[in-house]
Amino acid sequence: QVQLLQSGAEVKKPGASVKVSCKTSEHIKFYMHWVRQAPGQGLEWMGNINPTSGSATYAHIFQDRVTVTTDSSSNTVFMELRGLRSEDTAVYYCARDLGATRDNWGPGTLVIVSS
Amino acid sequence: SSELTQDPAVSVALGQTVRVTCQGDSLRVYYASWFQKKPGQAPVLVMYGKNVRPSGIPDRFSGSTSGTTSSLTITGAQAEDEADYYCNSRDSSGDRWVFGAGTKVTVL
Repeated sequence: QVQLLQSGAEVKKPGASVKVSCKTSEHIKFYMHWVRQAPGQGLEWMGNINPTSGSATYAHIFQDRVTVTTDSSSNTVFMELRGLRSEDTAVYYCARDLGATRDNWGPGTLVIVSS
Repeated sequence: SSELTQDPAVSVALGQTVRVTCQGDSLRVYYASWFQKKPGQAPVLVMYGKNVRPSGIPDRFSGSTSGTTSSLTITGAQAEDEADYYCNSRDSSGDRWVFGAGTKVTVL
């Protein structure tokens, strides 16, 4: 099974940016998604990227603050979230082929936003 | 607000049957997928497409769709099935994905 390896936990100050990586064990062939879960909250879809075109789509609430990119040379997907606020404290997951045949999730990356 | 609506919580006696529902207009067009989420663990896909169960998911999990409602049924619930269950599908535009707010399933 394809392995998704995510970068380590981060602690950031309000207003800062964070960039989380997700390295796959094979060439990225399927849409890659980012999903987060804040403490005590539900799963929240943030966006995805088409590995063929490089085109990304974002949830409306993150439209101005998030960027998802890929590096095909390293089979890595990145999610950058800018303008961090305390409400962005969450576990961030990458997921391959979300809710479909090749669905597979990374272990999650904890991002803490605190002054 | 979520475009997919789920009941917040449901309980089931051990060995009995429980159904978790997800309602949304986009479900007329797109299938829902269902995820099981336990604390400290990544979500696990338990149902997708036209009631397809991924490899390794027990056959006590089944799914159905009628109109704008998708359902996940656990027949003969086990203690290890106690978890939060989230439905997921595309939104009305088809361009984006969305999760329901989740249903906490308690096995008594």
